[in-house]
Amino acid sequence: SQQGEEDPQALSIQEGENATMNCSYKTSINNLQWYRQNSGRGLVHLILIRSNEREKHSGRLRVTLDTSKKSSSLLITASRAADTASYFCATERIEADDKIIFGKGTRLHILP
Amino acid sequence: EADIYQTPRYLVIGTGKKITLECSQTMGHDKMYWYQQDPGMELHLIHYSYGVNSTEKGDLSSESTVSRIRTEHFPLTLESARPSHTSQYLCASSDRGDQPQHFGDGTRLSIL
Repeated sequence: SQQGEEDPQALSIQEGENATMNCSYKTSINNLQWYRQNSGRGLVHLILIRSNEREKHSGRLRVTLDTSKKSSSLLITASRAADTASYFCATERIEADDKIIFGKGTRLHILP
Repeated sequence: EADIYQTPRYLVIGTGKKITLECSQTMGHDKMYWYQQDPGMELHLIHYSYGVNSTEKGDLSSESTVSRIRTEHFPLTLESARPSHTSQYLCASSDRGDQPQHFGDGTRLSIL
């Protein structure tokens, strides 16, 4: 069953602009994670935010979590061509035995 | 990058053949996972393991089987491949607790 759902499905922006992706989920969670997948490769973990946290930063990445709205956002500032990839949110539900469920992803394309 | 390896990267094979997809990690992680991902789509968990001699079926029904005889090795087997098995298969591992998953680069399987 799908837990996380990203919005938008696809996003094209100019290099240097900021990119924002959103994720909504349905049930209570322990944590929410964001991953990046380059074409033809596996996923790379970006950030994990726990249910008692509201915001985390890592370099040019900023993640927010609103448990009351069951939503999260990923902001990439000053985008670069190398940021072109698919971005997935994944949620670990409470009592899910460490299993996580992935959304369908946002395909981000950075234009030169 | 994480030390988790999948072989082969690509496999094109005829219907009815027995296939084993290999996955190995050198991080000593107890937890390992197999996901199935169609192009541009979300990941679906098909098998997972929490340690040696532990295997469980995931959320997506699969005709494949797995084994976990050694901590570092988590092979996936299809006894008789069919065209419906054509997909990308991703292996991942993680440490105990709410730790992120580390992914291999996947095996892209095509059954003719």
